[in-house]
Amino acid sequence: DAKTTQPPSMDCAEGRAANLPCNHSTISGNEYVYWYRQIHSQGPQYIIHGLKNNETNEMASLIITEDRKSSTLILPHATLRDTAVYYCIVRVAQGASGSRLTFGEGTQLTVNP
Amino acid sequence: SAVISQKPSRDICQRGTSLTIQCQVDSQVTMMFWYRQQPGQSLTLIATANQGSEATYESGFVIDKFPISRPNLTFSTLTVSNMSPEDSSIYLCSALTPFSRPYNEQFFGPGTRLTVL
Repeated sequence: DAKTTQPPSMDCAEGRAANLPCNHSTISGNEYVYWYRQIHSQGPQYIIHGLKNNETNEMASLIITEDRKSSTLILPHATLRDTAVYYCIVRVAQGASGSRLTFGEGTQLTVNP
Repeated sequence: SAVISQKPSRDICQRGTSLTIQCQVDSQVTMMFWYRQQPGQSLTLIATANQGSEATYESGFVIDKFPISRPNLTFSTLTVSNMSPEDSSIYLCSALTPFSRPYNEQFFGPGTRLTVL
């Protein structure tokens, strides 16, 4: 699986958009970009994933650059409950050989009141 | 979605003993995984629990230390054998389901917090 690079920490004001960057310059054509988050003392939680198109769901938006070498997770209106470690992971499709999540260090997002 | 429960939620054990952690999923899943999260660290994959065959271990993890069972499509156990203080971690069970939305989501249990004295 391709290696990802994320800033170790970020701060965001409550109610503002949180933009979390991720670099994955060695991503392969068949690898997806996944985002998970881990709130303190809980198991990781899926947020969103994408291949090459931008994606949006009820939790967040995922913007993937045209060359697919980087992406940004956007939480449009951050709340205090969004304080967590956010993991950007690249992975081949489910069921394919090697299709398991490999976690990096992630970004600690702190949402401040 | 899939709901994953783990037992015990936490335990304190003496060195040299073994602990078996149970993982139960509320629906049939294709793949199950076990992760370790040491204090202040990210998650590290221990192994993939295969139904009906031996688990597939990641580099640095061996069956003698972390035997895994997966007798059916909803249940798995991880045993931490001959424990030492270095095994103090949170152990998380995870599963992939092809049947629920969003497709490709991997679900995680709440974890088992293990302290070895």
